[in-house]
Amino acid sequence: ETGVTQSPTHLIKTRGQQVTLRCSSQSGHNTVSWYQQALGQGPQFIFQYYREEENGRGNFPPRFSGLQFPNYSSELNVNALELDDSALYLCASSLVPGFQETQYFGPGTRLLVL
Amino acid sequence: RKEVEQDPGPFNVPEGATVAFNCTYSNSASQSFFWYRQDCRKEPKLLMSVYSSGNEDGRFTAQLNRASQYISLLIRDSKLSDSATYLCVVNMNSNSGYALNFGKGTSLLVTP
Repeated sequence: ETGVTQSPTHLIKTRGQQVTLRCSSQSGHNTVSWYQQALGQGPQFIFQYYREEENGRGNFPPRFSGLQFPNYSSELNVNALELDDSALYLCASSLVPGFQETQYFGPGTRLLVL
Repeated sequence: RKEVEQDPGPFNVPEGATVAFNCTYSNSASQSFFWYRQDCRKEPKLLMSVYSSGNEDGRFTAQLNRASQYISLLIRDSKLSDSATYLCVVNMNSNSGYALNFGKGTSLLVTP
């Protein structure tokens, strides 16, 4: 196992609600990235946090926001949920940001928006 | 055009067969390249990094051609346990930071 944990494992919400997903990075890793994986697609990059600062962002609207805490755990918040937000949300941790740094994925949170 | 494109699949092969997956990427500024494996309803796991000189790990061989912006993965002597989705992944520094760009994945089913 990678040592990256995520909670909750499954979640059901309705349109318009807000959701918070949590991720604990592997020990010693100060970089966390979040990805969205829709059914039948590859993961899509949402954003990355390094030492509590956003270090890059993909093509997602502002209602997707995040935080990283001093212990390097992280949260993904999604406001005003839409049906298309139904997906597997993955977080990945790495030692530092960088091209050759391996990103280790957690088991994901499955979100269903009704 | 998607940044990373893979063979559509699925690939159904018998045990012991050799199978090859191909992948192309659009951004010549891409810096590092990987193959990840994803089992059904699980998280992606790093299979191997891909280098210009090519690299091999047991039955798996990965190749990178920067001039053609092409990546390949060869699996020899397929096992039932190789059944999974194989994701071609490219990492480049951009406004997105050090984001992994994933292909859609190619599904492999190895049959007895």
